[in-house]
Amino acid sequence: AQSVSQHNHHVILSEAASLELGCNYSYGGTVNLFWYVQYPGQHLQLLLKYFSGDPLVKGIKGFEAEFIKSKFSFNLRKPSVQWSDTAEYFCAVLPYNFNKFYFGSGTKLNVKP
Amino acid sequence: DAGVTQSPTHLIKTRGQHVTLRCSPISGHKSVSWYQQVLGQGPQFIFQYYEKEERGRGNFPDRFSARQFPNYSSELNVNALLLGDSALYLCASSLPSGGALVGQETQYFGPGTRLLVL
Repeated sequence: AQSVSQHNHHVILSEAASLELGCNYSYGGTVNLFWYVQYPGQHLQLLLKYFSGDPLVKGIKGFEAEFIKSKFSFNLRKPSVQWSDTAEYFCAVLPYNFNKFYFGSGTKLNVKP
Repeated sequence: DAGVTQSPTHLIKTRGQHVTLRCSPISGHKSVSWYQQVLGQGPQFIFQYYEKEERGRGNFPDRFSARQFPNYSSELNVNALLLGDSALYLCASSLPSGGALVGQETQYFGPGTRLLVL
């Protein structure tokens, strides 16, 4: 079965610290990759996505993610987090020609002011 | 502009009953997807509909069904409810991409319907 793994369930950082959230998937073929974010009291929203081309993808609010095909990974990064980045982050994978969308279990990020 | 709306916001049912959840997409969006999110887990894909046709289906039993109406709103139906069906049910809408793959378009999520089965 296809799976998406987010290794960190809960991350606590101080403001200005750097962030890296891990995401690995098990599908061996071509994939489309996404990071979604859910801020407290808000709906899920798209942070960034990768379909093809440059494996380093930039998203909103200074976030970026790097697709490493050989490692089946799509890690999310931000050089300097802010208190307003406190949220839950979900990685999602769409295996090509599969027509099914797979989410990871999420990582709760708590940024201390 | 109004976002994706879902009704009801909360629902309590008993085992064996049937439930219907409703979703209205963002104006102009023709695709609707449904997800189940159990507490502590990520959303699990149930269905996607585009132009009233099922375009993708997740690994859910036949007790789960959905349909899309001419105005692009959608209903998710669950029959013979089980305790394990207790979850947040999310709806997402997206613009048509013209492509064949589920989820290539950016999906805009609604607030969800929280279902509790007793």
